[in-house]
Amino acid sequence: KQEVTQIPAALSVPEGENLVLNCSFTDSAIYNLQWFRQDPGKGLTSLLLIQSSQREQTSGRLNASLDKSSGRSTLYIAASQPGDSATYLCAFTGNQFYFGTGTSLTVIP
Amino acid sequence: GAVVSQHPSWVICKSGTSVKIECRSLDFQATTMFWYRQFPKQSLMLMATSNEGSKATYEQGVEKDKFLINHASLTLSTLTVTSAHPEDSSFYICSVWDSDTEAFFGQGTRLTVV
Repeated sequence: KQEVTQIPAALSVPEGENLVLNCSFTDSAIYNLQWFRQDPGKGLTSLLLIQSSQREQTSGRLNASLDKSSGRSTLYIAASQPGDSATYLCAFTGNQFYFGTGTSLTVIP
Repeated sequence: GAVVSQHPSWVICKSGTSVKIECRSLDFQATTMFWYRQFPKQSLMLMATSNEGSKATYEQGVEKDKFLINHASLTLSTLTVTSAHPEDSSFYICSVWDSDTEAFFGQGTRLTVV
């Protein structure tokens, strides 16, 4: 069974800092990796999709990488802003969608 | 990407009544939709996979008679919580996968059973 772990569970940083969120998985037989953002009481917003043949994707201040051999993915956020405060979830597509446990990010003005 | 609309955004109902939640894929024909449940400060739990024109596939531990799913068209799936009880109070979210296997989610429905 695929297990997806996100570290840290919570993170608080001052505005302007660069930060890295980590996601690890146990089964390398994955297809795609997706990072989401969830604001309190809201649905999920897709941030980045890395397909199985790719190693990373970038969108604005966000960069996500995927290393299947080590079972890890990272989400890099540059120059963090208070508006980045949310819960970040990673998810893998295998024979179903496997969600990580989430990282709650607070960016302090 | 696909646009997914969920309705209602929140609902309060009395114990014993039934509540229907709609999930619409506005710009993508979805033969499959997914229903999730999320408890406070926890990740999403897959409840069932909704298949257009056929029966839904439920995850282990999810009562199919309690959570009725109907996927009558390529753009609409509904989840009906029957005879709701306070323990059914939760956040319910639907999603679709587009042709690139990228997932898109509805805005969620907050159900409170009193």
